Amino acid sequence: SQQGEEDPQALSIQEGENATMNCSYKTSINNLQWYRQNSGRGLVHLILIRSNEREKHSGRLRVTLDTSKKSSSLLITASRAADTASYFCATDDGSARQLTFGSGTQLTVLP
Amino acid sequence: EADIYQTPRYLVIGTGKKITLECSQTMGHDKMYWYQQDPGMELHLIHYSYGVNSTEKGDLSSESTVSRIRTEHFPLTLESARPSHTSQYLCASSELYWRQIDSPLHFGNGTRLTVT
Repeated sequence: SQQGEEDPQALSIQEGENATMNCSYKTSINNLQWYRQNSGRGLVHLILIRSNEREKHSGRLRVTLDTSKKSSSLLITASRAADTASYFCATDDGSARQLTFGSGTQLTVLP
Repeated sequence: EADIYQTPRYLVIGTGKKITLECSQTMGHDKMYWYQQDPGMELHLIHYSYGVNSTEKGDLSSESTVSRIRTEHFPLTLESARPSHTSQYLCASSELYWRQIDSPLHFGNGTRLTVT
């Protein structure tokens, strides 16, 4: 079964609003990463948060991690139409093997 | 954007044909991956490689094969394509874990394969 599961599956907001996506996972992790995928394209790495970190910022992105609840959230502030994409979380269990991706949240930002 | 390239971008082919999806990266990354993704769905790892002459099967069973003769090149081959192989195939690369802990994946733009 997959490690990460995003919630909600789809989210539609107006431009300028904030968007929050959640990710839950099942096993211990070394780090958790968020990726964006525009329609028909590959994934682009957005931000990484380590297991000993609780919050991280990058531009309009804010990521939180709660290892006790095995969950993470991605907040995009002041959203733009160009933020329309699918967002995936991926977990690294520290075994030096591959990342495990969740099923993604489809974000639509309406102009 | 990362320097990882996949060709072709789109491929429509008949059942039974042999196909090779190409993937090349210019970042000198040792680790490379192939993921399969149906539209709007999660990614499934089908193959990965730690470096030259290293290939491993991923979590999703696949009838495809890969080779890694050069660091920068990681082609995926289907000996006999079937309609069930219709999907998007994404190639990715990263640094080896021991070189750079927390190395993110860099993805190509994918090959959308349709088998008729």
